[in-house]
Amino acid sequence: GNSVTQMEGPVTLSEEAFLTINCTYTATGYPSLFWYVQYPGEGLQLLLKATKADDKGSNKGFEATYRKETTSFHLEKGSVQVSDSAVYFCQTSGSRLTFGEGTQLTVNP
Amino acid sequence: DAGITQSPRYKITETGRQVTLMCHQTWSHSYMFWYRQDLGHGLRLIYYSAAADITDKGEVPDGYVVSRSKTENFPLTLESATRSQTSVYFCASNQGADSTIEAFFGQGTRLTVV
Repeated sequence: GNSVTQMEGPVTLSEEAFLTINCTYTATGYPSLFWYVQYPGEGLQLLLKATKADDKGSNKGFEATYRKETTSFHLEKGSVQVSDSAVYFCQTSGSRLTFGEGTQLTVNP
Repeated sequence: DAGITQSPRYKITETGRQVTLMCHQTWSHSYMFWYRQDLGHGLRLIYYSAAADITDKGEVPDGYVVSRSKTENFPLTLESATRSQTSVYFCASNQGADSTIEAFFGQGTRLTVV
């Protein structure tokens, strides 16, 4: 089955710092790839996605590029804000919705 | 309202009692899922369902029972609750295994077993 490896957290940054959260996957075929965000006390919600190789997903200043050659989908943001503090999950499509372990991000003012 | 709803949002129950968590979606998505989320463990899949009357075990199915008699509902039952089942439970749905469309999550049920 598919699997996802996500960088371990927690991650603590100062406001306006650059963010990278690494995600690599193993899968048969060509899955779609997703990043979700979970704010405190809420369910997961889609942040961005990419459905084929070399696609770039983007939303709210976050970006991730589907790299088939390195089986990666790293999440980046050039300048984080306090409001970005949340848990971030990488996911591949498939019958079981395979998620990474989640990365807790805290952004300090 | 369209969406996926879980009930109750909060539940406290005693060890040994049976408790059922409800999940309802309005999109007619074929796939539905139950996860538990514990600190340090991310999301762990309990059970999932590919269609009405088709269910399958996930990573941590022991102590749980599911059913799916209707496409829109996917209840999760703890047959005899234990303290180790204290957790936040999330229900999710999506269109299918190879879907390019994201999964949609409920708000979660925080269950405490005392």
